[in-house]
Amino acid sequence: AQTVTQSQPEMSVQEAETVTLSCTYDTSESNYYLFWYKQPPSRQMILVIRQEAYKQQNATENRFSVNFQKAAKSFSLKISDSQLGDTAMYFCAFMKHEAMEYGNKLVFGAGTILRVKS
Amino acid sequence: DAGVIQSPRHEVTEMGQEVTLRCKPISGHNSLFWYRQTMMRGLELLIYFNNNVPIDDSGMPEDRFSAKMPNASFSTLKIQPSEPRDSAVYFCASSFLPSGNNEQFFGPGTRLTVL
Repeated sequence: AQTVTQSQPEMSVQEAETVTLSCTYDTSESNYYLFWYKQPPSRQMILVIRQEAYKQQNATENRFSVNFQKAAKSFSLKISDSQLGDTAMYFCAFMKHEAMEYGNKLVFGAGTILRVKS
Repeated sequence: DAGVIQSPRHEVTEMGQEVTLRCKPISGHNSLFWYRQTMMRGLELLIYFNNNVPIDDSGMPEDRFSAKMPNASFSTLKIQPSEPRDSAVYFCASSFLPSGNNEQFFGPGTRLTVL
């Protein structure tokens, strides 16, 4: 079974600064997907960024980027130029890459609460 | 596109009552997922369907929980009888598989409180 660990229950950052959220995972799979989801106080789950394990290049989406270390099973999220609207719970999630025509479940970490301060 | 629609948004009920949560996936999506979020257990998958067929229901906690997907545009999650420990936020998500990005689109969730 896969597990996802987020070791930082809470973090805070000043507006316009950079912050990194940590995530590690455990799996015996060689091919899989990793995701970061954002859950603001509205509780809507919003996909922030996605990484395919077979790709060596780290994914980026505007101010959001990841540091994917496959051998270390590490998948951290870096938020640059933090904005007040980034305040939310952030979840790291894992998905196996197999039997895709049948779908597959997301396995979530416990989440990290990020507070951006003005 | 309206996104994934869930109803009701909030439900308060008494222990022993039947509760039915509803989900309308994004039009054209063929996979549907039910997740539950609690403080103790975080976000966990309850069940998912592909082309209206249940594929994995190993996350359904016990026989009190049941889920159906009678057609491609509607799914229900039923709890009968409900218990206080069922209090949680229940999310429905949908996706189109196979696809290149495997993104699951989440609904706004239903907050269930069982007194």
